Amino acid sequence: AQTVTQSQPEMSVQEAETVTLSCTYDTSESNYYLFWYKQPPSRQMILVIRQEAYKQQNATENRFSVNFQKAAKSFSLKISDSQLGDTAMYFCALDSGNTPLVFGKGTRLSVIA
Amino acid sequence: KAGVTQTPRYLIKTRGQQVTLSCSPISGHRSVSWYQQTPGQGLQFLFEYFSETQRNKGNFPGRFSGRQFSNSRSEMNVSTLELGDSALYLCASSLDRGMNSPLHFGNGTRLTVT
Repeated sequence: AQTVTQSQPEMSVQEAETVTLSCTYDTSESNYYLFWYKQPPSRQMILVIRQEAYKQQNATENRFSVNFQKAAKSFSLKISDSQLGDTAMYFCALDSGNTPLVFGKGTRLSVIA
Repeated sequence: KAGVTQTPRYLIKTRGQQVTLSCSPISGHRSVSWYQQTPGQGLQFLFEYFSETQRNKGNFPGRFSGRQFSNSRSEMNVSTLELGDSALYLCASSLDRGMNSPLHFGNGTRLTVT
């Protein structure tokens, strides 16, 4: 079975500071994708960043970057220079291809002015 | 390009009634997935359709059903509504369900059962 665990239900960060959201996963597949999705109060889930398991280089998208540790099955999201608009629920997700996308329970991030 | 469109945005129904939710995927996307989101359970997979065929089904009772039309639009139906069916229902589309084809989500339908 594939599982995704986000151990931080809620986090807060001061504007302009850096925050790291944790995610661990479990899968028996050798190749897979990992995603971070953001769900602001408007409800629409937005893809933030993705990482293919075969790629050793950590993905980066502007202020968002990941720390992918394949052996440890860890996939954390770092948000630099946090902005008020980053306030949202963040979901880590695992895609092994043949089965539906599996999501963690989410981390509620609040950015404080 | 228009995004994933879900209608209606809000629904209030009574126990025992049935409801139909609609999802129009991004143009060119042939895969449509449905998720139920609740505060306690997070996002739970309902089903996935590709080219009018159900490809995967989650662990939900038979009261939950869906279908996909030839234009890739999808509907899901919940019969004999229960209070526990109150949730945000999210639809997502993708080109296919290959791993390099991320899901694009709609705004969801908020269903309240009273």
